[in-house]
Amino acid sequence: DAKTTQPNSMESNEEEPVHLPCNHSTISGTDYIHWYRQLPSQGPEYVIHGLTSNVNNRMASLAIAEDRKSSTLILHRATLRDAAVYYCILGGTSYGKLTFGQGTILTVHP
Amino acid sequence: GAVVSQHPSWVICKSGTSVKIECRSLDFQATTMFWYRQFPKQSLMLMATSNEGSKATYEQGVEKDKFLINHASLTLSTLTVTSAHPEDSSFYICSASEGFSFNEQFFGPGTRLTVL
Repeated sequence: DAKTTQPNSMESNEEEPVHLPCNHSTISGTDYIHWYRQLPSQGPEYVIHGLTSNVNNRMASLAIAEDRKSSTLILHRATLRDAAVYYCILGGTSYGKLTFGQGTILTVHP
Repeated sequence: GAVVSQHPSWVICKSGTSVKIECRSLDFQATTMFWYRQFPKQSLMLMATSNEGSKATYEQGVEKDKFLINHASLTLSTLTVTSAHPEDSSFYICSASEGFSFNEQFFGPGTRLTVL
């Protein structure tokens, strides 16, 4: 499976935008880029996914580089409830299997 | 959105006993369910993939005789940790998806297992 590289941690202030980067230089043409987040002691929660084009939903935006070797999850206005571990995952392999990396711990300051 | 539940949310058991964890998709039919394990301050590790009516596919290094998975219906999968030992203490999380190819996975809230 292609791997992703994310910063271990990032910090933000409440109500400011947050850009969470992810590198995936070995991505294949059929790999989707998924983002999930996990709050402490909870199961992960789907955030967004995309293939080639930028994507927006009510939670976030996903900006995908033209060569697809990197992507950025954008939280437009961080809130304290956005503090979580954010995982960037490549998927689209058999049966939708997801391989989680270490993720980025996002801390949001009031 | 789709909801996945797990039961129990936490369990404490004695070494040598078996523990069953249930994973249910409440408002959709889950063609595929996944079981993960997560140790403190670590990421999720996929243990196995199960499809309704079929045998589970285990990841390399996961003992299939120790972690028994049954996916008897489109809304229920169970994970049984047999002869549990303290090193099996972990956070077990299931997820479910509706299709065979990529689909959004819906995760359960997790089950905290502590083996004394």
